[in-house]
Amino acid sequence: AQSVTQLDSQVPVFEEAPVELRCNYSSSVSVYLFWYVQYPNQGLQLLLKYLSGSTLVKGINGFEAEFNKSQTSFHLRKPSVHISDTAEYFCAVRLTGGSYIPTFGRGTSLIVHP
Amino acid sequence: DADVTQTPRNRITKTGKRIMLECSQTKGHDRMYWYRQDPGLGLRLIYYSFDVKDINKGEISDGYSVSRQAQAKFSLSLESAIPNQTALYFCATSDSAGQAFFGQGTRLTVV
Repeated sequence: AQSVTQLDSQVPVFEEAPVELRCNYSSSVSVYLFWYVQYPNQGLQLLLKYLSGSTLVKGINGFEAEFNKSQTSFHLRKPSVHISDTAEYFCAVRLTGGSYIPTFGRGTSLIVHP
Repeated sequence: DADVTQTPRNRITKTGKRIMLECSQTKGHDRMYWYRQDPGLGLRLIYYSFDVKDINKGEISDGYSVSRQAQAKFSLSLESAIPNQTALYFCATSDSAGQAFFGQGTRLTVV
């Protein structure tokens, strides 16, 4: 079985500061990895994904994530956040074979202060 | 138009009532899902369907049922609503890589 752990339920940060949102997964087989963002009163939308290839993945709005197979991590980073980045962020994993069901972490609330 | 559309967007219902939440998609995906979101608990899978003839329970299916009327339509029913089913409900589809596409959500309140 696969599982996803988002280590921080809430991350407060000041505007223009860097941020890292942590995600670890447990799986004995290869996975596909995703980060989604949920703005208030909206559904989730894709930020970025890792399917194969380069372990550094760039997404929308200046976010990037690095897949680390040895540490089973897929942390999300942004060098300088804006107020508009305040949102809930979800990490998700899917096994590369078998069931296609994506499994989500519990989410991290990013709060950007002026 | 949105790729995944949920109706209604908001609903208040009384305890014991039957309620249906509807979902339609234009992505052409076979795989569809219903999740509920509660603060601090993230997204929990209620039911999923890999095609019209395939329906599967998720981790929290008790008190819920689903119907896959067509490839594009997947509805969720609460047979007898109770207050702890108050939550934000999401319908989603996924492509072959597992990327999920979400509706805007239905905020359900059971009083």
